[in-house]
Amino acid sequence: ETGVTQTPRHLVMGMTNKKSLKCEQHLGHNAMYWYKQSAKKPLELMFVYSLEERVENNSVPSRFSPECPNSSHLFLHLHTLQPEDSALYLCASSQDLLRTGTNTGELFFGEGSRLTVL
Amino acid sequence: KQEVTQIPAALSVPEGENLVLNCSFTDSAIYNLQWFRQDPGKGLTSLLLIQSSQREQTSGRLNASLDKSSGRSTLYIAASQPGDSATYLCAVRGYSSASKIIFGSGTRLSIRP
Repeated sequence: ETGVTQTPRHLVMGMTNKKSLKCEQHLGHNAMYWYKQSAKKPLELMFVYSLEERVENNSVPSRFSPECPNSSHLFLHLHTLQPEDSALYLCASSQDLLRTGTNTGELFFGEGSRLTVL
Repeated sequence: KQEVTQIPAALSVPEGENLVLNCSFTDSAIYNLQWFRQDPGKGLTSLLLIQSSQREQTSGRLNASLDKSSGRSTLYIAASQPGDSATYLCAVRGYSSASKIIFGSGTRLSIRP
């Protein structure tokens, strides 16, 4: 496995379900991100973890709960979602600039998890 | 607050043409600028990364330029092919920790055979 891997690729859930999205990176990076992409909207940053600590949370509803157990894995736990939460959820990784000095800061994305909330 | 704009939102050109996609940003204090390609329903594929100290980067038929003073970047695609049809996004990273990456809304490119 190389790069950034997301599972599942497609998920359909009811509003009362609890599910999780998983992301794994094999690039040796120390920062991981969750983005939401809705139709005809720019990418929205949801969460950032750098060295497993959450460094930014852009006021995302509490029905989305991130977890980063180590620098290679990132989860997004979903519960009591709304139909407007249906979107493509993208995971990305990079090397954190301030913590590691010189690096390119290049961002790498997974293929995304397409979520449909009924 | 950094804002990134991509104009036009959509572009359709015949195969074989050279074309330029535009990206503008409001705050010139950037660490780097990255161009991505996204096919429908897929993730983003990194095309080119330009560090703030660089003027341009090239990869095959793609050339990206950066002019920080004017807050602009262009992505030049030579000899366009139908396989180049996709949405192209630019993203700007500021001088801070991992989080300050701002995306444009993208340009949806269609290459007509």
